[in-house]
Amino acid sequence: DTAVSQTPKYLVTQMGNDKSIKCEQNLGHDTMYWYKQDSKKFLKIMFSYNNKELIINETVPNRFSPKSPDKAHLNLHINSLELGDSAVYFCASSQVVGGTQYFGPGTRLTVL
Amino acid sequence: GENVEQHPSTLSVQEGDSAVIKCTYSDSASNYFPWYKQELGKGPQLIIDIRSNVGEKKDQRIAVTLNKTAKHFSLHITETQPEDSAVYFCAANTGANNLFFGTGTRLTVIP
Repeated sequence: DTAVSQTPKYLVTQMGNDKSIKCEQNLGHDTMYWYKQDSKKFLKIMFSYNNKELIINETVPNRFSPKSPDKAHLNLHINSLELGDSAVYFCASSQVVGGTQYFGPGTRLTVL
Repeated sequence: GENVEQHPSTLSVQEGDSAVIKCTYSDSASNYFPWYKQELGKGPQLIIDIRSNVGEKKDQRIAVTLNKTAKHFSLHITETQPEDSAVYFCAANTGANNLFFGTGTRLTVIP
């Protein structure tokens, strides 16, 4: 029944490693997003895809690469992880661009 | 770009009292204003939203007001209950797809 799901929920890894976070939505939405929430709870958009095409790419290091194999999935791959990448990453989706966004449960990434 | 400010950052109320959280925005093109509730260890959940052609919207104990001229909007929770304790975020959307979030308000309802 989960509308927007993410895996894994927790991810602990060493600096320099490469890791991926997966997101899937079963709402039939056209638009998906990745957000980063820092330790102070500030939510900032990273990427947005509409119909598998990138439409927003905020100032994010190019070590972060989103991939959308289809409208229901938006995965986030991170290369050469750094300590500052530690945060909670949220996936979200909306029916259309600019529409109401629904969030996943988050992935807590800890880089040691 | 849009800048959304949110106050207060923390708010404690007695159970049964009302809670008010206020936000201001900078971009007059913003036309959609959702409010999200985030419980510990969970993702933000939409609780109410308002569009710029409406001044007030109510859903049971929750209401949102919007003043377009002053560029501010507020969340009102009446008859607060312990389960209302969470972090609340306001947001503004210019219609260009970006949601700009406020910095959050940690609400604690004291039984």
